[in-house]
This record gives sequence, structure tokens and C-alpha cells, in this order.
Amino acid sequence: GAVVSQHPSRVICKSGTSVKIECRSLDFQATTMFWYRQFPKQSLMLMATSNEGSKATYEQGVEKDKFLINHASLTLSTLTVTSAHPEDSSFYICSWAGAKQETQYFGPGTRLLVL
Amino acid sequence: ELKVEQNPLFLSMQEGKNYTIYCNYSTTSDRLYWYRQDPGKSLESLFVLLSNGAVKQEGRLMASLDTKARLSTLHITAAVHDLSATYFCAVAVGSGNQFYFGTGTSLTVIP
Repeated sequence: GAVVSQHPSRVICKSGTSVKIECRSLDFQATTMFWYRQFPKQSLMLMATSNEGSKATYEQGVEKDKFLINHASLTLSTLTVTSAHPEDSSFYICSWAGAKQETQYFGPGTRLLVL
Repeated sequence: ELKVEQNPLFLSMQEGKNYTIYCNYSTTSDRLYWYRQDPGKSLESLFVLLSNGAVKQEGRLMASLDTKARLSTLHITAAVHDLSATYFCAVAVGSGNQFYFGTGTSLTVIP
């Protein structure tokens, strides 16, 4: 149980374009989910917390207009990187909160390369 | 500013040896998690520690939590090559259970 998928797993795009990353919980439903990014050789940094049907809460330093989060259901959330630039190249990982909020279930990640 | 620091950042150890990785955090929390990450992969959950004094063991790994000292340890016993990976601790904060990750420890076990 607790399977999370992300699509695409890998994407290369040109600078200035927008990229959408999907995150799905396949065998459970959850109200709360999270988006992280991880630069090479670094730790995971929380970008935002999203509750279904509400606006996402972004961490300090994360631009909400650049990283658009749509959390339309209990099993699907999307992260759109708008007007991507090379410095946005990173590994983006989503997670869903488990029951009782005691754990998180992580997706396999999406590697974004902006040329 | 919340800080979650791991020590050491890099660890090279011989097979069969024991070692401990430390995770210090700067805020009040009684929920601490350990993960393993292999190169190019996402996270694999190792331990969930939800109270002061919690101790959990799985195979050659054992994790503990001291919430008063704001310290968690991941102890490796008789290391084997398959344990080579990067290990992260994460502290859960707030009612929303946001996770803040440690700096990571890159472990290499040498045959």
C-alpha cells in the first residue's frame, strides 16, 4: 500500500517554457500533500504544503507565482514550474500525508533539466 | 530558523565496523524520521520515531530519539556494502506535520 506516482520521471525543457509535474496517490486518499525539491548533492527542501481545495502554503523564499500548485482532489496534485530557467533544474519530489499525519509517503521524483 | 544538522556529512567505513550517525535539531518536536536515498532515487523510509526514548531496530540499523536533547542517532552495526547510500533524518513540525530534512550523511562501506 501507500503507492505514490509522479509523471514525468524526467523532463528536459528550454528556458522560458513551463513544465507541469503530476503527483498521484494510487491506493489511498489524503487531504494534505507536500512538494520538495532537491538540488544535486543537497538535502530535500520543503517548497509548499497543499491541502485539497485550499491554496497552498509556500515556504519562505519559494515564489508562489513561479511554482503553481493545483490540488484538485484527494489523489492528484500538480506542480507547474512557470517560465523555467536553468537554476530551476532540480529533482522534484512530492509526498502525501499518511493517516493521523504521522508519516509521509514519497513519490519517485521528477528530474527537471532546463537548458 | 529551524536547523536540522547531521554529523558526519560523509562517512567511509570498512565492512564489519560499527558507526553512529547523529541528527541534531533546533526546535521542539517528538516526531523524527530516518530515510535512505540511493543515487538518482527517491526516499526509502527506514524508521518512524514518535516519542521520547523511542528505539527501533531493523537488521543492522538501529535508531533512537531523545527529544529533550533534540537528538536522534542512527547506529550501524557490522556494516555491509549494501548499506552504502545517503541517509537523511527529518523532523516533523507543527500541526501540518511539515518535514524538515537534515543535511544528509553520505555513507560508503568499503569491502
